[in-house]
Amino acid sequence: AQKVTQAQTEISVVEKEDVTLDCVYETRDTTYYLFWYKQPPSGELVFLIRRNSFDEQNEISGRYSWNFQKSTSSFNFTITASQVVDSAVYFCALSGAGSYQLTFGKGTKLSVIP
Amino acid sequence: KAGVTQTPRYLIKTRGQQVTLSCSPISGHRSVSWYQQTPGQGLQFLFEYFSETQRNKGNFPGRFSGRQFSNSRSEMNVSTLELGDSALYLCASSSVGDRVYEQYFGPGTRLTVT
Repeated sequence: AQKVTQAQTEISVVEKEDVTLDCVYETRDTTYYLFWYKQPPSGELVFLIRRNSFDEQNEISGRYSWNFQKSTSSFNFTITASQVVDSAVYFCALSGAGSYQLTFGKGTKLSVIP
Repeated sequence: KAGVTQTPRYLIKTRGQQVTLSCSPISGHRSVSWYQQTPGQGLQFLFEYFSETQRNKGNFPGRFSGRQFSNSRSEMNVSTLELGDSALYLCASSSVGDRVYEQYFGPGTRLTVT
């Protein structure tokens, strides 16, 4: 069985602060995929990143960066210099090889205060 | 490219009725997945279709069903609605090739059962 844990239910930061959202996963698959999605108040899930289990290279995209560590089964997401527009619920998700079924964490609600 | 579209966006039904939700994937995408999102259970996988065939099904009762048409458009049906079926229903489509497994979500259909 697969499981994704996002221990942080809600986080509040002041604008321009850096914030890290934690994600820990469990899977027996040797090949799997990890994802982060953003869900603003409008409700639509916005795809942010996909990471393959065999690629542990960290990734940076503008103010966003992701730290994948297989040894600790973690896939953390950092927002640098947060902005009010970053306020949303962020979901970490996992799928096995050959599967389109996403297992989601419970989400972390991020509030960026001006 | 147009994104994933879902209709209707909002729906109010009475217990015992049935409902059909529609999803049009991104052009060229052949896989369509459905998810239910509730405050208590979070995001849960319902089923996934590829080339008109259901490839995977989540742990939901038989009242939940779906289908996919030759143009990749998909519908899901819920019969004998219960109060607990009130949720945001999200559809996602997935590409092929190097972006396989990246799922892009529609805005959702918010179903309220009274």
